Amino acid sequence: EPEVTQTPSHQVTQMGQEVILRCVPISNHLYFYWYRQILGQKVEFLVSFYNNEISEKSEIFDDQFSVERPDGSNFTLKIRSTKLEDSAMYFCASILAGGPYNEQFFGPGTRLTVL
Amino acid sequence: DAKTTQPPSMDCAEGRAANLPCNHSTISGNEYVYWYRQIHSQGPQYIIHGLKNNETNEMASLIITEDRKSSTLILPHATLRDTAVYYCIAASGAGSYQLTFGKGTKLSVIP
Repeated sequence: EPEVTQTPSHQVTQMGQEVILRCVPISNHLYFYWYRQILGQKVEFLVSFYNNEISEKSEIFDDQFSVERPDGSNFTLKIRSTKLEDSAMYFCASILAGGPYNEQFFGPGTRLTVL
Repeated sequence: DAKTTQPPSMDCAEGRAANLPCNHSTISGNEYVYWYRQIHSQGPQYIIHGLKNNETNEMASLIITEDRKSSTLILPHATLRDTAVYYCIAASGAGSYQLTFGKGTKLSVIP
Protein backbone atom coordinates (compact mmCIF):
# COMPACT_ATOMS: atom_id res chain seq x y z
CA GLU A 1 0.00 0.00 0.00
CA PRO A 2 1.42 3.43 -0.88
CA GLU A 3 2.51 5.56 2.04
CA VAL A 4 3.88 8.97 2.91
CA THR A 5 7.46 8.82 4.12
CA GLN A 6 9.37 11.38 6.16
CA THR A 7 13.04 11.86 6.96
CA PRO A 8 14.69 12.08 9.35
CA SER A 9 12.63 10.41 12.04
CA HIS A 10 14.37 12.51 14.68
CA GLN A 11 16.31 15.73 14.26
CA VAL A 12 18.20 17.47 17.03
CA THR A 13 19.42 21.00 16.40
CA GLN A 14 20.72 24.03 18.22
CA MET A 15 18.60 27.12 18.61
CA GLY A 16 19.12 29.49 15.70
CA GLN A 17 20.11 26.77 13.23
CA GLU A 18 18.24 26.03 10.03
CA VAL A 19 16.54 22.68 9.59
CA ILE A 20 14.95 21.03 6.60
CA LEU A 21 12.38 18.32 7.12
CA ARG A 22 11.71 16.07 4.17
CA CYS A 23 8.63 14.27 2.99
CA VAL A 24 7.83 12.06 0.04
CA PRO A 25 4.06 12.19 -0.52
CA ILE A 26 2.17 9.45 -2.31
CA SER A 27 3.17 9.68 -5.94
CA ASN A 28 -0.08 10.68 -7.66
CA HIS A 29 -1.31 12.96 -4.88
CA LEU A 30 -1.83 16.62 -5.63
CA TYR A 31 -2.32 18.39 -2.28
CA PHE A 32 0.37 18.43 0.37
CA TYR A 33 0.33 19.56 3.97
CA TRP A 34 2.49 20.11 7.01
CA TYR A 35 1.11 19.82 10.50
CA ARG A 36 2.87 19.96 13.83
CA GLN A 37 2.12 18.58 17.28
CA ILE A 38 3.84 19.94 20.34
CA LEU A 39 4.17 17.24 22.99
CA GLY A 40 0.85 16.69 24.75
CA GLN A 41 -1.01 19.16 22.55
CA LYS A 42 -3.28 19.11 19.51
CA VAL A 43 -2.22 18.47 15.95
CA GLU A 44 -2.03 21.91 14.31
CA PHE A 45 -2.22 22.79 10.64
CA LEU A 46 0.74 24.74 9.30
CA VAL A 47 0.46 24.98 5.53
CA SER A 48 -1.13 23.48 2.44
CA PHE A 49 0.50 23.31 -0.97
CA TYR A 50 -1.09 22.77 -4.35
CA ASN A 51 0.04 23.31 -7.89
CA ASN A 52 3.50 24.38 -6.73
CA GLU A 53 2.35 27.13 -4.46
CA ILE A 54 1.05 27.67 -0.95
CA SER A 55 -2.74 27.54 -0.97
CA GLU A 56 -3.32 28.27 2.69
CA LYS A 57 -1.24 28.80 5.81
CA SER A 58 -1.92 29.22 9.50
CA GLU A 59 -0.74 31.95 11.85
CA ILE A 60 1.99 29.62 13.04
CA PHE A 61 3.54 29.56 9.56
CA ASP A 62 5.45 32.83 9.78
CA ASP A 63 8.46 34.09 7.85
CA GLN A 64 10.71 31.57 9.57
CA PHE A 65 8.97 28.77 7.71
CA SER A 66 9.03 27.92 4.03
CA VAL A 67 7.96 24.98 1.91
CA GLU A 68 9.20 23.72 -1.38
CA ARG A 69 8.65 20.94 -3.85
CA PRO A 70 12.11 20.90 -5.41
CA ASP A 71 11.43 17.94 -7.68
CA GLY A 72 8.53 15.70 -8.59
CA SER A 73 8.67 13.70 -5.40
CA ASN A 74 10.02 15.56 -2.38
CA PHE A 75 8.13 18.11 -0.30
CA THR A 76 10.20 20.00 2.26
CA LEU A 77 9.61 22.22 5.26
CA LYS A 78 12.42 24.60 6.16
CA ILE A 79 12.68 26.42 9.45
CA ARG A 80 15.18 29.21 8.96
CA SER A 81 16.25 29.94 12.53
CA THR A 82 14.88 27.44 15.00
CA LYS A 83 13.53 28.45 18.39
CA LEU A 84 13.03 26.29 21.47
CA GLU A 85 9.26 26.42 20.90
CA ASP A 86 9.66 24.80 17.47
CA SER A 87 10.32 21.50 19.23
CA ALA A 88 7.48 19.26 18.11
CA MET A 89 6.47 16.35 15.89
CA TYR A 90 6.06 17.50 12.32
CA PHE A 91 3.71 15.51 10.11
CA CYS A 92 3.48 15.65 6.36
CA ALA A 93 0.24 14.63 4.67
CA SER A 94 -1.13 14.37 1.18
CA ILE A 95 -4.42 13.81 -0.59
CA LEU A 96 -5.14 12.61 -4.06
CA ALA A 97 -7.42 15.42 -5.12
CA GLY A 98 -9.73 18.01 -3.72
CA GLY A 99 -13.31 17.33 -2.71
CA PRO A 100 -15.14 15.80 0.20
CA TYR A 101 -13.39 12.46 -0.12
CA ASN A 102 -10.70 13.94 2.01
CA GLU A 103 -8.74 10.96 3.19
CA GLN A 104 -5.49 12.54 4.18
CA PHE A 105 -2.56 10.18 4.32
CA PHE A 106 -0.11 11.15 7.05
CA GLY A 107 3.53 10.27 7.32
CA PRO A 108 5.08 8.88 10.51
CA GLY A 109 6.42 12.27 11.50
CA THR A 110 9.76 13.88 12.28
CA ARG A 111 10.48 14.66 15.90
CA LEU A 112 12.33 17.97 16.03
CA THR A 113 14.21 18.79 19.21
CA VAL A 114 15.66 22.29 19.51
CA LEU A 115 18.28 22.70 22.24
CA ASP B 1 -15.23 24.50 10.12
CA ALA B 2 -17.79 23.65 12.77
CA LYS B 3 -16.58 23.04 16.30
CA THR B 4 -16.83 19.49 17.59
CA THR B 5 -17.06 18.29 21.18
CA GLN B 6 -15.87 14.89 22.37
CA PRO B 7 -15.42 13.31 25.80
CA PRO B 8 -11.75 13.46 26.81
CA SER B 9 -11.49 9.75 27.56
CA MET B 10 -13.32 6.45 27.42
CA ASP B 11 -12.61 2.85 28.33
CA CYS B 12 -13.79 -0.21 26.46
CA ALA B 13 -13.36 -3.91 27.21
CA GLU B 14 -11.49 -5.88 24.59
CA GLY B 15 -13.86 -7.61 22.19
CA ARG B 16 -16.74 -5.29 22.95
CA ALA B 17 -18.04 -2.51 20.74
CA ALA B 18 -16.56 0.92 21.34
CA ASN B 19 -19.02 3.75 20.79
CA LEU B 20 -17.37 7.16 20.56
CA PRO B 21 -19.73 10.15 20.54
CA CYS B 22 -19.19 13.52 18.92
CA ASN B 23 -21.28 16.64 19.10
CA HIS B 24 -21.24 19.04 16.14
CA SER B 25 -24.36 21.08 16.69
CA THR B 26 -23.23 23.99 14.48
CA ILE B 27 -22.34 21.84 11.47
CA SER B 28 -23.36 23.40 8.17
CA GLY B 29 -24.98 21.66 5.25
CA ASN B 30 -21.82 21.25 3.22
CA GLU B 31 -19.63 19.96 6.03
CA TYR B 32 -18.68 16.34 6.30
CA VAL B 33 -17.91 14.49 9.50
CA TYR B 34 -14.48 12.84 9.44
CA TRP B 35 -12.94 10.51 11.97
CA TYR B 36 -9.22 10.04 12.37
CA ARG B 37 -7.21 8.35 15.06
CA GLN B 38 -3.69 8.73 16.36
CA ILE B 39 -1.96 5.77 17.94
CA HIS B 40 0.65 6.99 20.39
CA SER B 41 2.74 9.59 18.55
CA GLN B 42 2.23 8.21 15.06
CA GLY B 43 0.71 10.20 12.22
CA PRO B 44 -3.08 10.46 12.30
CA GLN B 45 -4.90 7.74 10.39
CA TYR B 46 -8.14 8.18 8.49
CA ILE B 47 -11.01 5.98 9.66
CA ILE B 48 -14.23 7.01 7.98
CA HIS B 49 -16.30 10.01 6.90
CA GLY B 50 -19.93 10.80 6.14
CA LEU B 51 -22.34 13.55 5.25
CA LYS B 52 -25.89 12.45 6.10
CA ASN B 53 -26.16 8.72 5.79
CA ASN B 54 -24.66 6.11 8.03
CA GLU B 55 -21.44 4.68 6.68
CA THR B 56 -19.54 1.46 7.25
CA ASN B 57 -16.13 0.28 6.15
CA GLU B 58 -13.73 -2.41 7.22
CA MET B 59 -12.59 -0.41 10.23
CA ALA B 60 -15.72 1.13 11.68
CA SER B 61 -19.28 2.38 11.34
CA LEU B 62 -20.39 5.98 11.48
CA ILE B 63 -23.88 6.84 12.66
CA ILE B 64 -24.99 10.42 12.02
CA THR B 65 -28.20 11.68 13.59
CA GLU B 66 -30.93 12.87 11.29
CA ASP B 67 -30.42 16.50 12.31
CA ARG B 68 -26.65 16.01 11.80
CA LYS B 69 -25.87 17.62 15.15
CA SER B 70 -24.08 14.59 16.49
CA SER B 71 -22.51 11.35 15.40
CA THR B 72 -21.12 8.14 16.85
CA LEU B 73 -18.13 6.17 15.68
CA ILE B 74 -18.51 2.47 16.36
CA LEU B 75 -15.60 0.05 16.49
CA PRO B 76 -17.51 -3.24 16.50
CA HIS B 77 -14.97 -5.46 18.26
CA ALA B 78 -12.33 -3.35 19.93
CA THR B 79 -8.83 -4.79 20.26
CA LEU B 80 -5.85 -3.58 22.25
CA ARG B 81 -4.47 -2.11 19.02
CA ASP B 82 -7.45 0.25 18.89
CA THR B 83 -6.14 2.12 21.92
CA ALA B 84 -5.61 5.61 20.49
CA VAL B 85 -6.86 9.18 20.45
CA TYR B 86 -9.90 9.48 18.18
CA TYR B 87 -10.65 12.78 16.49
CA CYS B 88 -14.01 13.86 15.12
CA ILE B 89 -13.62 16.67 12.57
CA ALA B 90 -16.28 18.63 10.71
CA ALA B 91 -14.95 20.08 7.48
CA SER B 92 -16.32 21.18 4.15
CA GLY B 93 -15.22 19.50 0.96
CA ALA B 94 -13.84 22.76 -0.35
CA GLY B 95 -10.88 25.07 0.01
CA SER B 96 -7.54 23.54 0.83
CA TYR B 97 -9.08 20.62 2.71
CA GLN B 98 -6.85 21.00 5.74
CA LEU B 99 -8.01 19.38 8.93
CA THR B 100 -8.61 21.17 12.22
CA PHE B 101 -7.94 18.75 15.05
CA GLY B 102 -9.41 19.10 18.51
CA LYS B 103 -8.27 17.26 21.60
CA GLY B 104 -10.17 14.10 20.67
CA THR B 105 -11.17 11.15 22.85
CA LYS B 106 -8.49 8.95 24.35
CA LEU B 107 -9.89 5.43 24.01
CA SER B 108 -8.30 2.82 26.21
CA VAL B 109 -9.14 -0.78 25.35
CA ILE B 110 -8.78 -2.91 28.45
CA PRO B 111 -7.98 -6.65 28.37
